[in-house]
Parts: sequence; structure tokens; C-alpha cells
Amino acid sequence: DGGITQSPKYLFRKEGQNVTLSCEQNLNHDAMYWYRQDPGQGLRLIYYSQIVNDFQKGDIAEGYSVSREKKESFPLTVTSAQKNPTAFYLCARSGGAATSIYEQYFGPGTRLTVT
Amino acid sequence: SQQGEEDPQALSIQEGENATMNCSYKTSINNLQWYRQNSGRGLVHLILIRSNEREKHSGRLRVTLDTSKKSSSLLITASRAADTASYFCATDWTGANSKLTFGKGITLSVRP
Repeated sequence: DGGITQSPKYLFRKEGQNVTLSCEQNLNHDAMYWYRQDPGQGLRLIYYSQIVNDFQKGDIAEGYSVSREKKESFPLTVTSAQKNPTAFYLCARSGGAATSIYEQYFGPGTRLTVT
Repeated sequence: SQQGEEDPQALSIQEGENATMNCSYKTSINNLQWYRQNSGRGLVHLILIRSNEREKHSGRLRVTLDTSKKSSSLLITASRAADTASYFCATDWTGANSKLTFGKGITLSVRP
């Protein structure tokens, strides 16, 4: 799955709880991304990080937080402030060879259900 | 929005036929990429075409890019049932700082 590990595959939480989704890569690539996908929709960018200890908001960052303390890890926390957190969350990486710097490689995703 | 828009939204063909999918976008781009997603899985990168390229091939895939019309097409030749998936175009538009913008996708069904 593109050198990205996401866990767990399915996650269930009660409304009002924060939840952290894991994303790990073992290819020493610099850039990592978090996307949200809703049924029948494309991907929307939540946060991205190009180097350790630095990250930028994407198009729908409200209600989410991230950290990038290590190059290989980019966890996403879905906070209780996110009004509609149930979705499929995808983590991706890019980097590596100069010819493929723009290509993104995705993990298998985490399906979060909040009730 | 800079989002690409794919057309059609859904496509159903018989195995062996060719499948053509289109993508339009709104602003200047550095490159355009096509991805594939099987149900419930992550996306898989298929092909990247740069803004100065007009056509690119990879196996049974052919991608064209017309920057004057701000459009791209993905052709899958001799389709197989295993090609059944959703296909997305993604644009790396000028000034995007390595971000990609994805369309909503095309659902391709290939009937055996």
C-alpha cells in the first residue's frame, strides 16, 4: 500500500471524543498528507507536512490537528470540534526520486464512524 | 475552486471495449495525474503528464493533455473486469506548493 501504514482500518467512536489516526511511512520521504473522502466524493486535503516539525493547513483543517515530530510519522487527531467526522481518511506520501516528486502514494485508509 | 472535474460520472462498458474518461480544470497547472481507487482502498497512482507534454502511454493506458482547453483524457484500451474501479484526476496547479487537487472521480464498471 504505497509504503504507508495506516491503522486501524476501522474505527468507531462516540460523539464528543477525540480520536487519533495513525500514519507511518518507512521510505524516508519528506512530504506527507491527510485527506478526507466522503461517499461519492473526491479527496479533500486536511493537512500536509513537507518537513519535520512543520505542517500546513489544507482546505478543510477545522476540527483536525496533526503533528510531525518524526519524519516517518504523521498522526491526525479528529477533535470533538469536527462537526461531521464520519468519513474515510487517507494518508499519503510523496518525495523520493526527483522524477516522481509530485506523485503521491496512499495508505489503505481508515474508516472512522462516529455515533 | 481549482478542482478538476471528471466526465462522465459513471461509465459501464463490456470487457474488451475501450474506456475513455475526461477531466477538465480551471487554472494553469504544472502537471496532471490520474489515480485509481478500488472500493474501500487507497488510491493508486497511474500516470503523470507534465504541462509541456501532450500524450503519454503506460501499458494499456493513454493520457492526453490539452492545456489550451484545460482538459485531459484517460483511455484504457481492451478493458478487463479487473479495471472496475473509480478513477480520479488530480492537478498540481501553479502555485499549489506541492498540493494536489482531486476531482470527484469516475466510476468505471467493466462487465465480464
